Amino acid sequence: SQQGEEDPQALSIQEGENATMNCSYKTSINNLQWYRQNSGRGLVHLILIRSNEREKHSGRLRVTLDTSKKSSSLLITASRAADTASYFCATDPLTGGYQKVTFGIGTKLQVIP
Amino acid sequence: DAGVTQSPTHLIKTRGQQVTLRCSPKSGHDTVSWYQQALGQGPQFIFQYYEEEERQRGNFPDRFSGHQFPNYSSELNVNALLLGDSALYLCASSLVVTGAGSEKLFFGSGTQLSVL
Repeated sequence: SQQGEEDPQALSIQEGENATMNCSYKTSINNLQWYRQNSGRGLVHLILIRSNEREKHSGRLRVTLDTSKKSSSLLITASRAADTASYFCATDPLTGGYQKVTFGIGTKLQVIP
Repeated sequence: DAGVTQSPTHLIKTRGQQVTLRCSPKSGHDTVSWYQQALGQGPQFIFQYYEEEERQRGNFPDRFSGHQFPNYSSELNVNALLLGDSALYLCASSLVVTGAGSEKLFFGSGTQLSVL
C-alpha cells in the first residue's frame, strides 16, 4: 500500500521556471525523503528531512515539512531540461521497531527546453 | 567504491516458473530492502533484511521470499510466477542507525522481470 501521495501526478514546465511538487501522507513519521527516478531505473536520493525539521535546502532544492498537516513539498528552482524525471516522496512511519520506507505514486516532471 | 549492484538486468520467464534476483549492497551497508515497481507506479515495499533475518515485510504473498548472506548480499525469490509479477524489482541498501529512523537508501538499477 502507498503511504504517500504526490500531487500533481504530472507537471510540465518551461526551462527556467520553478517546479513545486506536494506529498501528503497518512500516519506519523520519523522522517520524509524525496527521490528522483530517470527512465524507470534506480532511484536517486535527493534530500531527507526529519520530523522535527520544517525546511531543508540542497542546491536548487527546497523541501518543507508540515507534520500537523501531514504534508511536504519539494521545490526545484530554475529548472533545467535535465531535471526531467519522476519524483517520489518516501516516508518512514513512526510505528516503532524497524525502519520501513514506503513510497508514494510519484510526480512525473517534464521540463521543456 | 561500488554502489548497489543487481543481477540480472533483464529476465523473461513464463507463468509458474521460479526466479531468483540478486543484490550486492553498497560497501559498508548492512541492510537490504527489496521493492517492486509496476509501470507508472511507485515502488512497493516487499521486505527488508538485516543481520540475515527478514525484519519487515510488506503486503506480498509467501511466494515472495528472500535471503541475506553473511557478506550482506541478498536474494529475492519468487515462486509460481504470475503475469502480474511483471515489474521492475529494485534493491536498496542502507545503514542501520538505531533510534534515528531510516537513513537514505541507495538503489541499484533494478531487474526488469517479464512474465509471459
